[in-house]
Amino acid sequence: KQEVTQIPAALSVPEGENLVLNCSFTDSAIYNLQWFRQDPGKGLTSLLLIQSSQREQTSGRLNASLDKSSGRSTLYIAASQPGDSATYLCAVGEGTSYGKLTFGQGTILTVHP
Amino acid sequence: EAQVTQNPRYLITVTGKKLTVTCSQNMNHEYMSWYRQDPGLGLRQIYYSMNVEVTDKGDVPEGYKVSRKEKRNFPLILESPSPNQTSLYFCASSPTDPYYNEQFFGPGTRLTVL
Repeated sequence: KQEVTQIPAALSVPEGENLVLNCSFTDSAIYNLQWFRQDPGKGLTSLLLIQSSQREQTSGRLNASLDKSSGRSTLYIAASQPGDSATYLCAVGEGTSYGKLTFGQGTILTVHP
Repeated sequence: EAQVTQNPRYLITVTGKKLTVTCSQNMNHEYMSWYRQDPGLGLRQIYYSMNVEVTDKGDVPEGYKVSRKEKRNFPLILESPSPNQTSLYFCASSPTDPYYNEQFFGPGTRLTVL
């Protein structure tokens, strides 16, 4: 059974810092990996999607990497801002159920001014 | 605006009173699914639909029903809600193949069953 773990569970940083969120998964037979942010009352927002054949994806200040063989992904956030404060979720797409995403527990990020 | 909408956003009900949570997407997506989110358990898939009239169970389907009569709508039905179905529910959609496309989530429905 696929298990997804995110470390750290919570992170508090001052504005302007570069930071890394970690995600690990136990079964490397994945189709893709997707990073989301969750804001209270606003659902999940997709940030980046990495296909299993890709190594990384970038969008603005965000960069996500994928090492499928070691079962790891990182989300790098450059020059963090208070508006980045949210819960970040990592999810792997797997084949046990069509299109199913298996989620980690998330990292709660707080960026203080 | 491309989006997934859910209604209602908040609902408090009592045990045994049938309810439906609606989900609609305006992106002409073929794939839709439902998740529930619980503290300590994360998000878990309830049901999914590959296309109209094609649905199947996810990890936690007990106590739920779904239907997909139109491409844009995928309602979640609780025939006889129980307190253990108190949760935050999310609907998601994706173009043809969710393995190669990102999934878009709705804003969530917070359900409390007393």
